[in-house]
Amino acid sequence: EVQLLDSGGNLIQPGGSLRLSCVASGFTFSNYAMSWVRQAPGKGLEWVSGIRGDGGTTFYAESVKGRFTISRDNSKNTLYLHMNSLRADDTAVYYCAKCRGSSLTYYFDYWGQGTLVTVSS
Amino acid sequence: EIVLTQSPGTLSLSPGERATLSCRASQSVSSSYLAWYQQKPGQAPRLLIYGASSRATGIPDRFSGSGSGTDFTLTISRLEPEDFAVYYCQQYDSSPYTFGRGTKLEIE
Repeated sequence: EVQLLDSGGNLIQPGGSLRLSCVASGFTFSNYAMSWVRQAPGKGLEWVSGIRGDGGTTFYAESVKGRFTISRDNSKNTLYLHMNSLRADDTAVYYCAKCRGSSLTYYFDYWGQGTLVTVSS
Repeated sequence: EIVLTQSPGTLSLSPGERATLSCRASQSVSSSYLAWYQQKPGQAPRLLIYGASSRATGIPDRFSGSGSGTDFTLTISRLEPEDFAVYYCQQYDSSPYTFGRGTKLEIE
């Protein structure tokens, strides 16, 4: 059974940093691209960042480029999102999502339960 | 960036009725790399349709997707009480892999 366990969300002050983690199980992690998708309170879904299965290529939404870094440790079946210079509009539930294939040109077939990041003073 | 426009924003129907949800792209989506997701309050999204018209595993056949290029449709043939939720389309053709703003399907 595929499982994605998101964690790391917290209340953080503007300008601060945070690292989210997503531990995967039930599939060969290195064979699949992964993404982070966020949802601000009461709003829709926003794709944030993605990484290929081999970790060699990464993509970012313009809203987070230069502030967020996606990475993965295939030996630990874990996806990360390093978030710096956090702003109030980064407040959201962050979901990790598994792509159906090794590249990002695939749909998301499994999602984590989400972890809440609140940026506020 | 491919912008996806979903309509209507809210759709009010009764169980047993047919629902038609629209997703229009600002430019052609290659190879029909278009997916639909369902989200209920407090839950993560769930994949319904991929490749514009293929049902995901375990999705009832009352859900169907159609379209190509810039115009896509999700149809629910006979609404069940558990179908009332928010529906999002998403393109996975090119980065950024954008979502539409969603259609809320509510009970009339």
